[in-house]
Amino acid sequence: NAGVTQTPKFRILKIGQSMTLQCTQDMNHNYMYWYRQDPGMGLKLIYYSVGAGITDKGEVPNGYNVSRSTTEDFPLRLELAAPSQTSVYFCASSSSRGSYNEQFFGPGTRLTVL
Amino acid sequence: KNEVEQSPQNLTAQEGEFITINCSYSVGISALHWLQQHPGGGIVSLFMLSSGKKKHGRLIATINIQEKHSSLHITASHPRDSAVYICAVFFNNDMRFGAGTRLTVKP
Repeated sequence: NAGVTQTPKFRILKIGQSMTLQCTQDMNHNYMYWYRQDPGMGLKLIYYSVGAGITDKGEVPNGYNVSRSTTEDFPLRLELAAPSQTSVYFCASSSSRGSYNEQFFGPGTRLTVL
Repeated sequence: KNEVEQSPQNLTAQEGEFITINCSYSVGISALHWLQQHPGGGIVSLFMLSSGKKKHGRLIATINIQEKHSSLHITASHPRDSAVYICAVFFNNDMRFGAGTRLTVKP
C-alpha cells in the first residue's frame, strides 16, 4: 500500500496563477483532509470530505476549492494564487472521524507564490 | 487563541539525554495524539492516549486529563530522534494541532 500520495512535491507559482494539488489514498478511507502548515503555527484545516461527493469547509477555506468524485482522490484547487498561500500543504485520510481516529498523512507539497 | 500549546518551541540535546516535551490544552477532550514530523516533512502518528501512560520503545507519553496536560518523553535520545513533535486534540469537529517542538539531538 502506498498510503497517501501527493503531487507535486514542490511548486513555485506567480501571483494570479492557478494550480491543483493532487492527493490520492489507497486505504479505502472515507474521510480526507487538506491542511496547511505555516512556520511557527499548527496545521490548519482547509477543507475536508466525509465521502465521495461530500465536502465541507474547515478553518481556513478562503482562496481554495476541493472536489471528491471518487473515494481515492481529493484534489485541492488554488485559484488566483496569492503570496499568503505560500505554505506547506498536507493531505490526510482516516477511516472515520473523531477523537480516537488516526489520520494518515501524505508527504506534503511545498508551495511558494511570488 | 490556540487550544493546544506546546513547550518548548525548540530543544537541543546531546545524544543519550532524557527529553521531555510538554503539551497543554484548554478544551475538554477524549483523547490526545502525538505525531512526529520527519526532517523530510512526512508526518506519522506516534501515540493516541486518553488516560495514563503509553510506551513504544524509548518513547513514553503520559496524559493528565484533569490538568489538561500531556508529556512526551524520549529516553536515551539519539540523533535519529531529531524531528518536530506535534500534539493534537479533536475539538469542535476538527483536529487542532500544536505548533510543534523542534528537537535536535547532537551526537
